[in-house]
Amino acid sequence: DAGVTQSPTHLIKTRGQQVTLRCSPKSGHDTVSWYQQALGQGPQFIFQYYEEEERQRGNFPDRFSGHQFPNYSSELNVNALLLGDSALYLCASSFERSPYEQYFGPGTRLTVT
Amino acid sequence: AQKVTQAQTEISVVEKEDVTLDCVYETRDTTYYLFWYKQPPSGELVFLIRRNSFDEQNEISGRYSWNFQKSTSSFNFTITASQVVDSAVYFCALSEASKGNQFYFGTGTSLTVIP
Repeated sequence: DAGVTQSPTHLIKTRGQQVTLRCSPKSGHDTVSWYQQALGQGPQFIFQYYEEEERQRGNFPDRFSGHQFPNYSSELNVNALLLGDSALYLCASSFERSPYEQYFGPGTRLTVT
Repeated sequence: AQKVTQAQTEISVVEKEDVTLDCVYETRDTTYYLFWYKQPPSGELVFLIRRNSFDEQNEISGRYSWNFQKSTSSFNFTITASQVVDSAVYFCALSEASKGNQFYFGTGTSLTVIP
């Protein structure tokens, strides 16, 4: 039973560029949440997707957008990258009926230069 | 306002010592969940424990134990007889029923166990 997987593992982008990160949830999970973890900080909630819709959103600008596919996998898109977007991006999956059992993926380390 | 406060930024202990990691939370919800996660250098968050607001019973799992006190809004984590493999960053997190499944994390405590 595969856990939460994320790709790519590492990514280097230039300011102003756009990036797409991908997440496959744990088998049987239908809800995906995205978190940003800056160096030395705790993860911060970006948004959550369920039934292909953004259900909840944290305090992040519109440059951060996402998508969920029919197979429950998800993408996080960030436009007009800033140096401050450099962080570890974590994906967490859960089952709608057990929302507090969130399983985290290994993360994607994004560096913006 | 910070919903979860982990005042200890870094802790170093010698192997076999006991260590307690502090967590103080803030919420107006009566229904909420508290969590502890371990984050080794690889980056993946490893789930350790979940408690709901109606269950103040302390829990012990091997060398790990948790002390949940609603009166002081604290959910402290103790590692007994620490080992080098315990070295990691530990995060306390809160999820409020009124906010859906959003997790609020503290800033983490970096634990180093010295052999």
